[in-house]
Amino acid sequence: SQTIHQWPATLVQPVGSPLSLECTVEGTSNPNLYWYRQAAGRGLQLLFYSVGIGQISSEVPQNLSASRPQDRQFILSSKKLLLSDSGFYLCAWRGSMGYGYTFGSGTRLTVV
Amino acid sequence: DAKTTQPTSMDCAEGRAANLPCNHSTISGNEYVYWYRQIHSQGPQYIIHGLKNNETNEMASLIITEDRKSSTLILPHATLRDTAVYYCIVRVATRTEEVATSGSRLTFGEGTQLTVNP
Repeated sequence: SQTIHQWPATLVQPVGSPLSLECTVEGTSNPNLYWYRQAAGRGLQLLFYSVGIGQISSEVPQNLSASRPQDRQFILSSKKLLLSDSGFYLCAWRGSMGYGYTFGSGTRLTVV
Repeated sequence: DAKTTQPTSMDCAEGRAANLPCNHSTISGNEYVYWYRQIHSQGPQYIIHGLKNNETNEMASLIITEDRKSSTLILPHATLRDTAVYYCIVRVATRTEEVATSGSRLTFGEGTQLTVNP
């Protein structure tokens, strides 16, 4: 069965520090992978998506970057965090059979 | 992607049916209607999806109007654990189509906060 792992669950980081959030998917190959952020309010904002290894598309100019070093691994990074980077970050995937998106459990990032 | 509009919030009594509406008047012929819900501090959870026929699974029923411009998610017997934000989105059916249409802009709107009251 397909599973998605996202860690850590919570993270408190000082302003100016680096960030690395990792997401891995099991039980599928060549998935579409996504990073979302949920800040104030409820809407989920798409940050990055990837359709294959090394292929990253950015949706919103920001202080973050993403990489896909392996087929089922998606990493969200920052060299220097800003206070505005605080939020709830969600990784998601969509497999070759399409239909629904599966979300990870999320990472609550607080930049202090 | 077609835009969707949903009420900001709704209340429902425990044990009663919860009917959550969604308008998607600009939906394209190859786009499905998907419903997700998000319980506080968790990732969104898939509920159901459909193209034009009504659909039912163990969680809910989805009623899509004949012109496909709106839909209703029905939770037949709401429980306290159904309290969550419910999102309606429209999307092409498969990953392949998504890639072909450069369908990157899957952004969830504000959704509907459903509160089930005892």
